Amino acid sequence: GDSVTQMEGPVTLSEEAFLTINCTYTATGYPSLFWYVQYPGEGLQLLLKATKADDKGSNKGFEATYRKETTSFHLEKGSVQVSDSAVYFCALSPISSGSARQLTFGSGTQLTVLP
Amino acid sequence: SAVISQKPSRDICQRGTSLTIQCQVDSQVTMMFWYRQQPGQSLTLIATANQGSEATYESGFVIDKFPISRPNLTFSTLTVSNMSPEDSSIYLCSVGGGTGQISGNTIYFGEGSWLTVV
Repeated sequence: GDSVTQMEGPVTLSEEAFLTINCTYTATGYPSLFWYVQYPGEGLQLLLKATKADDKGSNKGFEATYRKETTSFHLEKGSVQVSDSAVYFCALSPISSGSARQLTFGSGTQLTVLP
Repeated sequence: SAVISQKPSRDICQRGTSLTIQCQVDSQVTMMFWYRQQPGQSLTLIATANQGSEATYESGFVIDKFPISRPNLTFSTLTVSNMSPEDSSIYLCSVGGGTGQISGNTIYFGEGSWLTVV
């Protein structure tokens, strides 16, 4: 079945540091890939997505590129802020288009940014 | 994005009781799902809520413990029955397959219902 493997946390960075959170996946066909963020005490928010190979999703300074050859979707940000402290989830949907399907989630990575 | 409202947002429940969580979307959606997030863990799919028919449950989840209703395309409920401390979790409603901002295959989440069983 489909699976998502995420970089284990927690990750602690200083403000303005570069962030990478690794995510790799196993799936048949052509899945869509997502990053969700969960701020303390809140639900999940969609951060960015990519639906086909070589697509780059971006939002709020975060970026991730769908790499089919390495089955990866690593999350990056050039300069993190204290307000980026949250749990980040990589997720996969088994199809690239059409109706929504249930997601398969990675284990989540806790990010703490220190001032 | 669409407004997805969950009630209650938080509750403390007595062991052995049942609690029903409501999920209301401000537009019609094709798909509604219920997830559980145990403390410090990732999300696990409980079931897909099917409009007008029985929900489709994932392995390890059963209707007697987690009955689900979905009477229309904007509303669903999840009941957590005969609760034990192990049921202390965040329960999240998620939706997809609507129109406008929630079209396509992206799934959006409510704010979650944070349940503590004592």
